[in-house]
Amino acid sequence: QQQVKQSPQSLIVQKGGISIINCAYENTAFDYFPWYQQFPGKGPALLIAIRPDVSEKKEGRFTISFNKSAKQFSLHIMDSQPGDSATYFCAASPSGTYKYIFGTGTRLKVLA
Amino acid sequence: NAGVTQTPKFQVLKTGQSMTLQCAQDMNHEYMSWYRQDPGMGLRLIHYSVGAGITDQGEVPNGYNVSRSTTEDFPLRLLSAAPSQTSVYFCASSYSRGARWGYTFGSGTRLTVV
Repeated sequence: QQQVKQSPQSLIVQKGGISIINCAYENTAFDYFPWYQQFPGKGPALLIAIRPDVSEKKEGRFTISFNKSAKQFSLHIMDSQPGDSATYFCAASPSGTYKYIFGTGTRLKVLA
Repeated sequence: NAGVTQTPKFQVLKTGQSMTLQCAQDMNHEYMSWYRQDPGMGLRLIHYSVGAGITDQGEVPNGYNVSRSTTEDFPLRLLSAAPSQTSVYFCASSYSRGARWGYTFGSGTRLTVV
């Protein structure tokens, strides 16, 4: 049973555009929501993360928007660059644990 | 500083064979996990450990064993390989659950079971 649903499965964006990836979760006991970036042949790397007590977190061109009542969160990549082409995973961590539940991933391609 | 080191990078097994995927970290992290990555399914937790001598099951533990005798090492054992275990396996480690905690992943082991 997938507790974190991620969409879209793939995304193509023009250089300079905004990439938006969405995730929804079912378990209200999650208290930490990271995003990971993965390049081909590499392991995932932490990109940005948010806790449910804030509605937005921004780091450079990457922003997480969090809607606690709707149980949804999204990653926005501003001014998308070809170097951002990668697979992105959202995740959620049950409160007090060291486990992650990952979404199914979004393959992003940014066209030059 | 090597981070999380996984060996081997590639492995082909015959059905029924056993093997151990090695994972070592040099960051003195307490928490370690094994994930498998399959197309369209994201990363799924196999087993995890919150310290030496302490392990627990994740979402998909069947067919796998782990042990954690030291802080640095967290090997994953496949008891009797099956084609359904063909996957990319990632080991990850983490420090304590702080403001921006996250797992550092190894570069993965690509396993094919024929």
